[in-house]
Amino acid sequence: EPEVTQTPSHQVTQMGQEVILRCVPISNHLYFYWYRQILGQKVEFLVSFYNNEISEKSEIFDDQFSVERPDGSNFTLKIRSTKLEDSAMYFCASSEHLGQGASYGYTFGSGTRLTVV
Amino acid sequence: GESVGLHLPTLSVQEGDNSIINCAYSNSASDYFIWYKQESGKGPQFIIDIRSNMDKRQGQRVTVLLNKTVKHLSLQIAATQPGDSAVYFCAEKGYNKLIFGAGTRLAVHP
Repeated sequence: EPEVTQTPSHQVTQMGQEVILRCVPISNHLYFYWYRQILGQKVEFLVSFYNNEISEKSEIFDDQFSVERPDGSNFTLKIRSTKLEDSAMYFCASSEHLGQGASYGYTFGSGTRLTVV
Repeated sequence: GESVGLHLPTLSVQEGDNSIINCAYSNSASDYFIWYKQESGKGPQFIIDIRSNMDKRQGQRVTVLLNKTVKHLSLQIAATQPGDSAVYFCAEKGYNKLIFGAGTRLAVHP
C-alpha cells in the first residue's frame, strides 16, 4: 500500500536554530499538506500546497515557516528560527484531489517529533 | 466559525462489545467527513469516510452514521478488539484542508 514517508522520525534542536522536516508524498498525489499536533492536543492544519505554490495556510504558519518541493518527490517544511512552542509532532499528508468523486486518498505520514530545547 | 468537536474524551469498553464514538460539527455546508485512528507515536490512519449525500456507510467492523439535521457524526466499531485501542478523530473537509476534532481515546479492556 502506498505511504507517505517522513524523515527524521525525531529531531531535537536548540531554540533559534533552523530545522527542515522532510516528506516524500505518494507518487501520484498532487496535493500536499503539513499539520502539527502538540502533545495531547488535536491535529492542526498548517499549510496546503498545490502546483508549486501554497493554496492555503493557517495563522500558525507565520513568516518563520516555509514549504518547498525541491524536486519531483520531496516536500519540505522549514522553520527558520525555532521556538520552544514549536515542539510538536509534524505530519505530512498528500491527497489525489480536492474535488468531488473518490475519497481523495488523503494519507498521513508517521510524523516527525520536533523537540526544541 | 468552523468547528468539529467530540462529546467524550475517553471511552472504555470491554473486548467484544460494540463501541460508539461521537462527533459534532458546526459547518452545515460541510460535504465530506473522515474518521481517523491514531495509535501512540503514529500518524492518523484513515478508517472510513462519508459524504453528505449519505446517511450511513459501512466498512469492515466499522460504520459511520451522519445526521445532517443535528450535525452529528458517529463511528461504530463492532466487536471491539484490543487492537482498536487508540485515539479516534473525526475530521471535516474544508476547501484546502481537514479540520480535526479534539479526539476520543478508546480503551479496550479484556
